[in-house]
Amino acid sequence: SAVISQKPSRDICQRGTSLTIQCQVDSQVTMMFWYRQQPGQSLTLIATANQGSEATYESGFVIDKFPISRPNLTFSTLTVSNMSPEDSSIYLCSVEESQALFGPGTRLTVL
Amino acid sequence: GENVEQHPSTLSVQEGDSAVIKCTYSDSASNYFPWYKQELGKGPQLIIDIRSNVGEKKDQRIAVTLNKTAKHFSLHITETQPEDSAVYFCAASFYNQGGKLIFGQGTELSVKP
Repeated sequence: SAVISQKPSRDICQRGTSLTIQCQVDSQVTMMFWYRQQPGQSLTLIATANQGSEATYESGFVIDKFPISRPNLTFSTLTVSNMSPEDSSIYLCSVEESQALFGPGTRLTVL
Repeated sequence: GENVEQHPSTLSVQEGDSAVIKCTYSDSASNYFPWYKQELGKGPQLIIDIRSNVGEKKDQRIAVTLNKTAKHFSLHITETQPEDSAVYFCAASFYNQGGKLIFGQGTELSVKP
């Protein structure tokens, strides 16, 4: 099964700044997704990262706030823009081949 | 859209006992049902999954059952060990749509030695 890594593993940021999270997969995958897990909560899908085209966002999430890139079949980035304390969450990259797998997550704290 | 309900929210068992976590889903088109274990500070780890053409699947001490008619599925952990203590999430998706997992609220399992 695919091995997924994320950078950074954690970060503490000031409000108003932006952070870009990287997701790297050790094999080519068709489907890549970004999820958010707010403190003590379950996981919510942010968007589907489409290779070579614009990401598909779920209700409540917009491109200006969470721009996503997917330049190839093994890599994607999620940017959290103009951060506020409410953006403090774990951000998770996921891939789906025969199974739905998750990366280790990026724990973001916004002060 | 799909909605997944998970119960209980917390579960405490003695080491060696069995633990059962139940989920219900609303969309009869859902056909993929994974279970994840999440330890503190880590990402969700897939522990078992089942597809709608199967009623039961087992992997050592872990089993999942699916009742498509009633639209519910359950995780069974036998002979629990302290290292089973974690938060467990169920999820459902219409696989051919490419993921879009809808998650339950999570169950915090505590196994007391």
